[in-house]
Amino acid sequence: SQQGEEDPQALSIQEGENATMNCSYKTSINNLQWYRQNSGRGLVHLILIRSNEREKHSGRLRVTLDTSKKSSSLLITASRAADTASYFCALNNFGNEKLTFGTGTRLTIIP
Amino acid sequence: DAGVIQSPRHEVTEMGQEVTLRCKPISGHNSLFWYRQTMMRGLELLIYFNNNVPIDDSGMPEDRFSAKMPNASFSTLKIQPSEPRDSAVYFCASSLGAYTGFWEKLFFGSGTQLSVL
Repeated sequence: SQQGEEDPQALSIQEGENATMNCSYKTSINNLQWYRQNSGRGLVHLILIRSNEREKHSGRLRVTLDTSKKSSSLLITASRAADTASYFCALNNFGNEKLTFGTGTRLTIIP
Repeated sequence: DAGVIQSPRHEVTEMGQEVTLRCKPISGHNSLFWYRQTMMRGLELLIYFNNNVPIDDSGMPEDRFSAKMPNASFSTLKIQPSEPRDSAVYFCASSLGAYTGFWEKLFFGSGTQLSVL
């Protein structure tokens, strides 16, 4: 089953700036999910976007999905120190029951 | 709700010993997953259960690994005998529904950090 590839692998920005991370994939998906993982903790679900949706918002988070380009982006606006974490995309592939996770983007917010 | 509860949080053992990891999913959730996370391989799905029945164990690395779910509120992942390459963080996750062509969101526990010396 395919795995999403996050880009960049690591990102450092100043507090208050916006952070954008991307996830690319190769085969058709049913939905795509974004998760956050704080150091030493489990993953926390952020947003689920279905293949027939193009954009979703949740608080300071904005997720887009472009199925023609097979890519998704996660935008965190007005970043805070507490946003420091690793962010993963997870793919629900058509015809495959496994939810597969990418390798993650490590985001550091500099106070 | 207390969320998904895993124990122990940390486990240090010697090669050849048996290791048992435990998980209590969120009450009412029908699906349970075991994932393993390493720097080299990222997050790998080992096995998942639906209504206490193992559905897909193709991710279990080898026969040394076994998982059970005797009831809706408890699951174990056992490694016997353990090897240094088994060192990783093991996560349990649960989901409200069953697979219906896709998964809804997963709720993860805090993980068990396993070190095999």
